[in-house]
Amino acid sequence: AQTVTQSQPEMSVQEAETVTLSCTYDTSESNYYLFWYKQPPSRQMILVIRQEAYKQQNATENRFSVNFQKAAKSFSLKISDSQLGDTAMYFCAFMGANDYKLSFGAGTTVTVRA
Amino acid sequence: DVKVTQSSRYLVKRTGEKVFLECVQDMDHENMFWYRQDPGLGLRLIYFSYDVKMKEKGDIPEGYSVSREKKERFSLILESASTNQTSMYLCASSPIVSEQYFGPGTRLTVT
Repeated sequence: AQTVTQSQPEMSVQEAETVTLSCTYDTSESNYYLFWYKQPPSRQMILVIRQEAYKQQNATENRFSVNFQKAAKSFSLKISDSQLGDTAMYFCAFMGANDYKLSFGAGTTVTVRA
Repeated sequence: DVKVTQSSRYLVKRTGEKVFLECVQDMDHENMFWYRQDPGLGLRLIYFSYDVKMKEKGDIPEGYSVSREKKERFSLILESASTNQTSMYLCASSPIVSEQYFGPGTRLTVT
């Protein structure tokens, strides 16, 4: 399995502010996919954003955007204008281009304060 | 919308019992997966299946087996449950080489 590292176990942010979650990964592949998943307290894991390694442009999805640095093997998630509903655990995940399997980081718990 | 369902949200079993966790998806996805989630470890892949009756071991298959007799259903079996199998179990499905869609999870406690 590929190694995915999330170095921040917990983060706290004030409502309406911005928070950035870090993720690094280790791979020798040149093409792959990266994902951020969100798991709210209700437990249903949902996809937040997806990045394909061959695309230079950073993916965005409404208030969620990534900073993909391929050479540094870094894939951070920025949550802008944080909302209470963003409170969740966030997982970074890696998948090889010719693979079915996801490798997950340990997760970062984000708490949005009112 | 893709829907992945799991048979139980909470389950309590005794050591040595045979345990079945069921997962059903309604999107005709080829791939199905079983993970366990433990604090500080993220999600770890137990088994996955890329077609009916086809399966492959993931990173932590010991103590588990799986069954996929129909495309929409993927079962995880604990042949003889042990306390170290107390965990959250998540099922997922996906079309070929794409993001995965997760079920709500089953919190299994083995006493």
